[in-house]
Order: sequence, then structure tokens, then C-alpha cells
Amino acid sequence: NAGVTQTPKFQVLKTGQSMTLQCAQDMNHNSMYWYRQDPGMGLRLIYYSASEGTTDKGEVPNGYNVSRLNKREFSLRLESAAPSQTSVYFCASSEVGQGPYEQYFGPGTRLTVT
Amino acid sequence: KNQVEQSPQSLIILEGKNCTLQCNYTVSPFSNLRWYKQDTGRGPVSLTIMTFSENTKSNGRYTATLDADTKQSSLHITASQLSDSASYICVVRLNTGGFKTIFGAGTRLFVKA
Repeated sequence: NAGVTQTPKFQVLKTGQSMTLQCAQDMNHNSMYWYRQDPGMGLRLIYYSASEGTTDKGEVPNGYNVSRLNKREFSLRLESAAPSQTSVYFCASSEVGQGPYEQYFGPGTRLTVT
Repeated sequence: KNQVEQSPQSLIILEGKNCTLQCNYTVSPFSNLRWYKQDTGRGPVSLTIMTFSENTKSNGRYTATLDADTKQSSLHITASQLSDSASYICVVRLNTGGFKTIFGAGTRLFVKA
């Protein structure tokens, strides 16, 4: 039972390049999330998927797209990377979104855009 | 404006000592409050979750309190261990649609031998 896994762990991109961050969970959770964490700030929600087949914008969606490929997988795509997207990206999942349900986080992807 | 503020920003204590971390929030409507522990280079791990009606919740040596009237929460760590060195994040979820969640910036705790 791996929980939430993310790939890659580290990535360096040049401005304008694109890439996809992968996330998978094996807990049969309905809801999945993408966050970014910047120094001195709290995690901020980029996009979430309440259930398979649905996605919605979070607090900071500009410059990102997502795909809920199936119940297990939720990917985050940067179409044209910018230095402002340098951050640590966390994927998370939970049984359902609302209520006191625990969120489980992946280990993170550290992205640097030069 | 919905905000979660944590204090102190960082804290150094000796192994075996107790400490208390603070979280003040101006979030409405309130759904629940969570405390997470985040080790360096890892994702956050949930310690406690409290709803409006819960005043206190324990998880081993971690005890969280919630005062919904004053919109304050605290996390008390008893008999600290070196492995408690981490960031502790307070998170408040709003009782609205859209999974609105506000994360605090965290308190960085260093436990020294």
C-alpha cells in the first residue's frame, strides 16, 4: 500500500518548456488535489478533482492544466513553464472533499524553472 | 479576508521539554481545523482534525485544542523528541462548496539534544 506517489521527485525546466507531473493513489479515494508550496507561505490549492471525471480550479490555477485520468491518477501539466512556477508541488487525496476526512499527501515534486 | 496565522515562526527547544504552537484564524464559515506535521523534504501528515463542536483532540504526545469563539487553536507537544523536529501546519477548511482550505505558513520546530 504505497499511499500517494508522485513522479518525478525533482525537475529543472527552462522557461517555456512544458512538463506533466504525475500522481497516483492506491487508497480508492474519490477526491484528489494539487497544491504548491512556496517558502514562507502556506500550501495553495491549484486544482482539485472531487470525483472521477470532474476537475475544478483552486486558488492559483493560472498556467496549469489537470487531467483526472481515472480514479487513481491525477496529473498536473505546465504548458509553458515560467520562473514564477518554481515551487514544490504536492498531490493529495481524500475519501471525499468536504467534512473531517483526512487528506493524504504525496512526497512532493521539487520544480525549478530557470 | 480568510487568513490563518501561526506563531511562532520558529522555535528551538531541548529534548524532553514541552511546547505549544499557536494558530489564529479569521475564516468563515468554519468547517474543521487540522494540524499537520511536515518533515523536511516530505509531504504533510495529519495529526488531528477537529470540527466546530470539538474542544480538544489528542494523538499520542500531540494535543490540539480549539476555541471556536475566539478562533484560536493550539498544538501542545509533550516530552519532545528529536523526531519532532519538523514544520507544523494549521489548516482551516471553510464550510462552503469548492473545497476551500486555508493553510497557515507553519511553525518550524527544532528539538535539540
